[in-house]
Formats: sequence, C-alpha cells, structure tokens
Amino acid sequence: ENVLTQSPGTLSLSPGERATLSCRASQSVSSRYLAWYQQKPGQAPRLLIYGASSRATGIPDRFSGSGSGTDFTLTISRLEPEDFAVYHCQQYGSSPYTFGQGTKLEIK
Amino acid sequence: QVQLQESGPGLVKPSETLSLTCTVSGGSISTYYWSWIRQPPGEGFEWIGYIFYSGSTNYNPSLKSRVTISVDTSKNQFSLKLSFVTAADTAVYYCVRGTVVRGDNLGMDVWGHGTTVTVSS
Repeated sequence: ENVLTQSPGTLSLSPGERATLSCRASQSVSSRYLAWYQQKPGQAPRLLIYGASSRATGIPDRFSGSGSGTDFTLTISRLEPEDFAVYHCQQYGSSPYTFGQGTKLEIK
Repeated sequence: QVQLQESGPGLVKPSETLSLTCTVSGGSISTYYWSWIRQPPGEGFEWIGYIFYSGSTNYNPSLKSRVTISVDTSKNQFSLKLSFVTAADTAVYYCVRGTVVRGDNLGMDVWGHGTTVTVSS
C-alpha cells in the first residue's frame, strides 16, 4: 500500500504567518489523486483540496495545494485563527486508499 | 445540502458483528460512491472500503475477510458489517461520500459526524 508521511508532526505559528505542510508518499500517487482535509476537535474532517491542487467548494483561496508524484504540499498563505487544527493528507489513486498521520497546526 | 448520519450500536462484544447504517438526506445516493472510514482513538484514519450506487465494492485488504458494505437505494442508505470484532476495532466510524465526474475522482467531499463504536465485553 502507499504509505503517506506528513511533516512536521506539529507546526507552531502565529496568525498572519504562512504555513507549509508536507505529505510524502512511498509510491507515486496515481493521477495526482491527493486530498487534504482539515479536522477540528470533535468534528468530522472537511475536504480542502482534491486532485492535489483543486480547492473544494467554499474553501478560501488562502488554502492552496501543489505537488505531484510523491511530494505534495498544502500552503496556507496567511493564517486565520480558525485555521488552527489538524491537517490530514490522503491518496485515493490506488487501493487501499491511505492517509497520513496528520500535522497539528497550533498557535504559537 | 447533502447530509450523512451514521446509526448503530455504540457497544459491541468481542467476536460479534459490528453493524452500522448511513442515511443520506438532502440528495440522492445515486451517481456517487460511498465509503466507510474509521479513526481509532489517538490514531490516523483508516479507509475500510467503498460501494458505488450500482453495488460494486472495493475493500481494504487488511479488513476484506471481515467486511461487507451494502447499499439500499430505495431507502437512500448504505451499511457496514464488520465481523469477529476485537478491541482493535474500537474507533470513530465515519460514512463518507465520494464524487466522480466524467471519470475524474474528485475525492471525498461529504462526511458524516461520526459514531463511536467500542468493542468490549
């Protein structure tokens, strides 16, 4: 299976700063089928990015995704207070679909 | 606006079968694929499997021998059965919608709130 490794495990930043989160796959992700989700405590995940770089409906343009092959990045250009959460990447290009272990974005 | 709601027992005994149902409201179950995903306490997500509205399925090999996912289009519901459960199956279980448009998979865009299932005697 395609193992996803996210880094860093925890990222401490202040509102207004830029956040860069990484997701590395053990095998090339087919068709760039890589998604990013945001999860807040006690809530279900919310789809942010699909197809590596396409924003889901209603997602602000401060969120952007990039990458291909085995290396992908989620960038939040200017952090808002509501952006502090856990972010998960997922590949859905090959079965079994797999997730990274998550990056916690916390307020510095 | 499409909403998903999981239902089923919150406590299951070891060696028994976990059964959950997801009710889709505000939209049709047709033309999408429907997954079950779980998150054990303090861990990451694990995809269990999916079913298309047509009935075709794909399961995670790690669980395939114990999993059955079915769909009832007349009730706008799909279901999960996981047999011979152990404590390792304790998790929050989510039902999730996936979208494919003209052969392009747009990912999993609608999630239920999740339901906690504990395996214990």
